[in-house]
Amino acid sequence: DAKTTQPTSMDCAEGRAANLPCNHSTISGNEYVYWYRQIHSQGPQYIIHGLKNNETNEMASLIITEDRKSSTLILPHATLRDTAVYYCIVSVTGTASKLTFGTGTRLQVTL
Amino acid sequence: AAGVIQSPRHLIKEKRETATLKCYPIPRHDTVYWYQQGPGQDPQFLISFYEKMQSDKGSIPDRFSAQQFSDYHSELNMSSLELGDSALYFCASSIITELRGGYEQYFGPGTRLTVT
Repeated sequence: DAKTTQPTSMDCAEGRAANLPCNHSTISGNEYVYWYRQIHSQGPQYIIHGLKNNETNEMASLIITEDRKSSTLILPHATLRDTAVYYCIVSVTGTASKLTFGTGTRLQVTL
Repeated sequence: AAGVIQSPRHLIKEKRETATLKCYPIPRHDTVYWYQQGPGQDPQFLISFYEKMQSDKGSIPDRFSAQQFSDYHSELNMSSLELGDSALYFCASSIITELRGGYEQYFGPGTRLTVT
């Protein structure tokens, strides 16, 4: 699986958009970009994933650059409950594809 | 909606003892994954099963074994426990998202194992 690079930590004011970048310059054509988050020792939570098109769901938006070498997770209106470690993971889609967690970005949402 | 169930939630064992962790996937999910998260570390993949067959294997010690049963629940068996096995153990389940491709993994709340 391709390696990802994320900032170690970020701050965001409550109510503002949180934009979390991820670099995955060695991504291959059959690899998806997944985003998960972990709120203090809870089980990681799936957020969103995409292959090459931008994606949006009720939680977030995922913007993938045209060359697929980087992506940005957008939480449109961050709340205190969004404080968590956010993991950007690149993974081949196949039978029981594992997730390889990197160090992630620790997002702190403040009042 | 039904979620992944893990039992027990907390487990305390002594060195050299054995432990069994159980995972009940979301109904209709055919794939189960096990991850280990040590203190202050990120989750690390251990092993996965698809349709009751081992599918992938990560950095799982030889002292650990796992299987998936006919009802799709899975068990992680850990023997000769060491202090370093103290960690959170997460189980996740998935089913292929046929419309778009890609597998969303849904994680359970974890089992916190403490080895003393």
